[in-house]
Amino acid sequence: SQQGEEDPQALSIQEGENATMNCSYKTSINNLQWYRQNSGRGLVHLILIRSNEREKHSGRLRVTLDTSKKSSSLLITASRAADTASYFCATVNIQGGSEKLVFGKGTKLTVNP
Amino acid sequence: NAGVTQTPKFQVLKTGQSMTLQCAQDMNHEYMSWYRQDPGMGLRLIHYSVGAGITDQGEVPNGYNVSRSTTEDFPLRLLSAAPSQTSVYFCASRSHGSTDTQYFGPGTRLTVL
Repeated sequence: SQQGEEDPQALSIQEGENATMNCSYKTSINNLQWYRQNSGRGLVHLILIRSNEREKHSGRLRVTLDTSKKSSSLLITASRAADTASYFCATVNIQGGSEKLVFGKGTKLTVNP
Repeated sequence: NAGVTQTPKFQVLKTGQSMTLQCAQDMNHEYMSWYRQDPGMGLRLIHYSVGAGITDQGEVPNGYNVSRSTTEDFPLRLLSAAPSQTSVYFCASRSHGSTDTQYFGPGTRLTVL
């Protein structure tokens, strides 16, 4: 079964606003990653946060991780129309030495110009 | 580097036909995996490999076979296609560590009639 659950399923904002997406997961993780998928394309890795980290920044992206609540959030500041895409969280669970990446169902973000 | 390549981009099969989806990477990555993406379901892991000669099942392996004879290639075989296998298939690769960036191919859109 899928590990991560993103919330909301869809988000529509105006250019310049901030976008926040949340991810909840069920079991202990090694790290959590966020990916972006433009329509009809493959996924692109955005940012990774380790289980012992609480916050990480990369450009206009800010990711937080709360392992006690088993949740993460992705904040995109000053959004642009080009940020329109689906965003997925993925967790890595180390089971038997194989580090499988398990994806959530995604949040579809629309940034209106 | 070409990264992760997948062929074909599109394929239409009839129920019962077999075919192989090709995946290759030129980054000398040890870890390769196959996902399927269905509307509203996110990405689900089909099979993965941690190195040449080693494969293992993911979340939804039934109806699919894989092999890993070389580091570069990781083909996915549909033994007897069924309409339930209509989906978009993504191949991905990364170095062995779970904190390494995972790179995705552009996907193969498969329709089974």
